[in-house]
Amino acid sequence: QSVLTQPPSVSAAAGQKVTISCSGTSSNFGNNYISWYQHLPGTAPKLLIYDNDKRPSGIPDRFSGSKSGTSATLGITGLQTGDEADYYCGTWDGSLSTWVFGGGTKLTVL
Amino acid sequence: QVTLRESGPALVKPTQTLTLTCTVSGFSLSTSGMCVSWIRQPPGKALEWLARIDWDDDKYYNTSLKTRLTISKDTSKNQVVLIMTYMDPVDTATYYCARYNIPATGLDYWGQGTLVTVPS
Repeated sequence: QSVLTQPPSVSAAAGQKVTISCSGTSSNFGNNYISWYQHLPGTAPKLLIYDNDKRPSGIPDRFSGSKSGTSATLGITGLQTGDEADYYCGTWDGSLSTWVFGGGTKLTVL
Repeated sequence: QVTLRESGPALVKPTQTLTLTCTVSGFSLSTSGMCVSWIRQPPGKALEWLARIDWDDDKYYNTSLKTRLTISKDTSKNQVVLIMTYMDPVDTATYYCARYNIPATGLDYWGQGTLVTVPS
């Protein structure tokens, strides 16, 4: 069982918007920053969001992140079939000195 | 260009020790802020973080696997090594290494991963 909680799956139509939630506790969320990863089968996970809401160079602004209290959200607008993947949230838990991931959310684009 | 590449055996027998190497390029393991983590993904399951080593040789381990893991680095070879003892079929997974560049808080570059199978 993962330390951070994500819905197992979400779906939405192409062109629409979807959000993926990630919840934790004050221990692991607290003042820690959340990052989000896209994982396509057979490929390396890709960093989408870091520091809660920042996008690395090359990540389109269709992807956004936010955090409030002990929950975080990844938003994806203008859904494309190429966005079908597993999405993970993660954070460095400073109190435990370990990295923790969510259980992953499978996105299906209808 | 930052790259990470995992290497190691594809098959490990139960109770044996696994040694994985992550060879990095495009950055130095001794540069302040540079950290490398190992993460694995069993088939059909979620990502699981295993260990991290920092530029200053600080080391951190997954609490549940701590007794079986050892992480180290050879800066001159640009390599990070993960050793996992007493391998079991449940350790069958794709193993990834990834960079963590403090003060940024994401794992910004990942290797392609290497599949390790432990037969039952």
